Amino acid sequence: GENVEQHPSTLSVQEGDSAVIKCTYSDSASNYFPWYKQELGKGPQLIIDIRSNVGEKKDQRIAVTLNKTAKHFSLHITETQPEDSAVYFCASLGQAGTALIFGKGTTLSVSS
Amino acid sequence: GAGVSQSPRYKVTKRGQDVALRCDPISGHVSLYWYRQALGQGPEFLTYFNYEAQQDKSGLPNDRFSAERPEGSISTLTIQRTEQRDSAMYRCASSLEGGGSDTQYFGPGTRLTVL
Repeated sequence: GENVEQHPSTLSVQEGDSAVIKCTYSDSASNYFPWYKQELGKGPQLIIDIRSNVGEKKDQRIAVTLNKTAKHFSLHITETQPEDSAVYFCASLGQAGTALIFGKGTTLSVSS
Repeated sequence: GAGVSQSPRYKVTKRGQDVALRCDPISGHVSLYWYRQALGQGPEFLTYFNYEAQQDKSGLPNDRFSAERPEGSISTLTIQRTEQRDSAMYRCASSLEGGGSDTQYFGPGTRLTVL
């Protein structure tokens, strides 16, 4: 079935460092790849997304890159801050075009 | 404005009982999704509504699970004859447009515990 693999499962960085989270997906027909941030006790919140007609998208300290050939996409956070600490999920849109297929999440800890 | 709301936030029930979980999407949002999230995992798709039409129920695990959205707004996910393995966080999301590639806004979830 459709699958999204996400690595690493945990990531600890010092404040000001960069963090990179990587995902691979199985369905070559997928064309939409959102990233969600989930803080404790809250629902996932979209932070950035990318569609298959672009290779990179940036929003302030956050960027996402997409390699359709390799079926990889990555989240890059620069100049990390303690408030970036959360669980991050990548997702891809499934074949039916309705369901998001999520990775297992990465717990990011930023220490000051 | 108000986001997606879900009720109850916590539900504890005994094995064999039926439960109904409610989702109130963002006003005017066409699409509504139900997901289930186990501890330490990402959300797992259950079902999708476009207005009142249930267009995808491929993720419902078995026939004990059903969902409805009769007037194209509020939705109810019902689990009959609950089992311990049904314990999880149940999340609802809504999006303005149809299809899955429009931004999905998630609610806070209902934590279901089946004893």
